Formats: sequence, structure tokens, C-alpha cells
Amino acid sequence: EDKVVQSPLSLVVHEGDTVTLNCSYEVTNFRSLLWYKQEKKAPTFLFMLTSSGIEKKSGRLSSILDKKELFSILNITATQTGDSAVYLCAVEATSGTYKYIFGTGTRLKVLA
Amino acid sequence: DAGITQSPRHKVTETGTPVTLRCHQTENHRYMYWYRQDPGHGLRLIHYSYGVKDTDKGEVSDGYSVSRSKTEDFLLTLESATSSQTSVYFCAISRPPGLASYEQYFGPGTRLTVT
Repeated sequence: EDKVVQSPLSLVVHEGDTVTLNCSYEVTNFRSLLWYKQEKKAPTFLFMLTSSGIEKKSGRLSSILDKKELFSILNITATQTGDSAVYLCAVEATSGTYKYIFGTGTRLKVLA
Repeated sequence: DAGITQSPRHKVTETGTPVTLRCHQTENHRYMYWYRQDPGHGLRLIHYSYGVKDTDKGEVSDGYSVSRSKTEDFLLTLESATSSQTSVYFCAISRPPGLASYEQYFGPGTRLTVT
């Protein structure tokens, strides 16, 4: 059965700290791994990592994919209160058609 | 924002009544998805569609049916709502995967309460 596991479940840090969020997966026919940020509304897309793009960076956020060890990490440096959200990891898999399997998310709270 | 709307945005209904949620997109994307989100479970796939009249089940499809008669609309129906179907429902779209992968874009969500 396909599964995606995120850790930790929740995290509380202070502004300026660096955080690392983890995502491990076991899926059949992996195609890509995606990170989303969810505040009190719909998830918004952050990064996609594939075999041809295993490291991505945008401002204070960066992510890597280790296809051999089947995991990804999302790093946030110099955290701000606006980074407080649930971070979701999803894996795109194919078995004829294409679908996304989501982890349960990591809830990050950044204190001022 | 991707052109995805959901209606209604909030609904309260009684156990045993039928409910239909609508997802409408203006992006002409082929793939559309329905998820439910519950505390401790994350986003779980209910049904998805890979074209007009082409649908398939996700991991939590029991008690739900879908229809897609037009590219832009994907309907989710609860034939006889139960309290366990109280949840937030998200629709998502994605371009057809080919050699490249594409991200999903999500609608604003529908909060459904079954009393």
C-alpha cells in the first residue's frame, strides 16, 4: 500500500530559528514529490522535486529529494511568524493513471 | 490563483439527505480530484477524473459518487449523508502528466457538516 509519512507531527520554534521537516515515502511508480503550505485555507504549492530536479530553493525555503533513501526534507531558515502553517508532503504515483498520496502534515508554529 | 471554484462553500445538512458538491475550473485541465481533510488524517483522495466521463476511486470512496460530463465541472455526491462525512472537501486540478510532472492546484474548499 502506498504511504507517505511526515515528521514531526508538530513543531514550535522562535523567530529566527531554522527548521527541518521530514517526509518519507513508499509508493509504486514514483514520479514526483511535492511540498505544500496550508494556512487556514486551501494548500498552496511550494516545490516539486523529480528525478531531474532533486534540489529546489526559493528564498528562505529549500528542499531536497533522496530517491535512494525515499525521503525528502524541507528546510526553512530564519523563520518568521508568517511561516506558521501546516506543511504537507505529497507523492505523485502512477499505475496507469496519476494520483497524489498525501502525508498528514507537520504543524509549524513560529513564536515572535 | 488557479481558476478553481467550489460550491457551496459551507453546508449543513441532516443525516440521510443527498448532497452534491460542485467543482468548476476555467483552466481546461484534464485531471480533477476530490479530497477530504480531517484532523489526524491529512488529505485523503475520494475520487478522481482523468477526462470527461473517466473517473476512478480513491482510498475513501465508499458513500461517495462522482460525475464529470464536462471538462470544467466535477461533481461529488453523497447519496445519503452520514455524520462521518462531516469534513472539509477540497477539489484539485492538474494538467495531464506526460514526460513532465505537474503540481496540483486546490480550490478553496467546502465545509460540510452532517447533523
